[in-house]
Amino acid sequence: NAGVMQNPRHLVRRRGQEARLRCSPMKGHSHVYWYRQLPEEGLKFMVYLQKENIIDESGMPKERFSAEFPKEGPSILRIQQVVRGDSAAYFCASSPSARVTDTQYFGPGTRLTVL
Amino acid sequence: AQTVTQSQPEMSVQEAETVTLSCTYDTSESDYYLFWYKQPPSRQMILVIRQEAYKQQNATENRFSVNFQKAAKSFSLKISDSQLGDAAMYFCAYAAGNQFYFGTGTSLTVIP
Repeated sequence: NAGVMQNPRHLVRRRGQEARLRCSPMKGHSHVYWYRQLPEEGLKFMVYLQKENIIDESGMPKERFSAEFPKEGPSILRIQQVVRGDSAAYFCASSPSARVTDTQYFGPGTRLTVL
Repeated sequence: AQTVTQSQPEMSVQEAETVTLSCTYDTSESDYYLFWYKQPPSRQMILVIRQEAYKQQNATENRFSVNFQKAAKSFSLKISDSQLGDAAMYFCAYAAGNQFYFGTGTSLTVIP
């Protein structure tokens, strides 16, 4: 049973470009969470999605950031018109249900560098 | 607001010795869960141990155990017989509802 997959592992973008980060949850998991980790900091919650629905996006910046988890395919975190402050590691986690009793399983992360 | 505080940015321990990492949290919830995650240089987040708040018994996983003091809102991690592979960032996390809240981490160095 493969773990949570994220790609790319490293992404370099110039200011103003778009960044697309992909997350494939563990088999059987329909709940996906995205987190951002700035250098020297802990993970900060961004958004929680179930298949085709955004459940909680309270941690996501109002502009330039969007997320989706379509019926088929991976979850996508999209950052438009990237700025240097977007440079961070972005982690995806999945769980089999919305119950907080279920452990979240993390992917290896995507490290975004904005030049 | 829920917050998680790790007051030790860095800790070190001699190989084979025991070290305790501290974590406190603030919440008004009665039903929640606490976790310790390990993040080695590879940046992967690895679950070390978890504790349900309604359970009084402290969780244990091999060399890892917690000291959960619910009234004090304290959740420390004890690593016994430390090994070189234990060197990593350790994050304490609190979970309730849909969200996880992470502390800022403690960087653990294991000295051979």
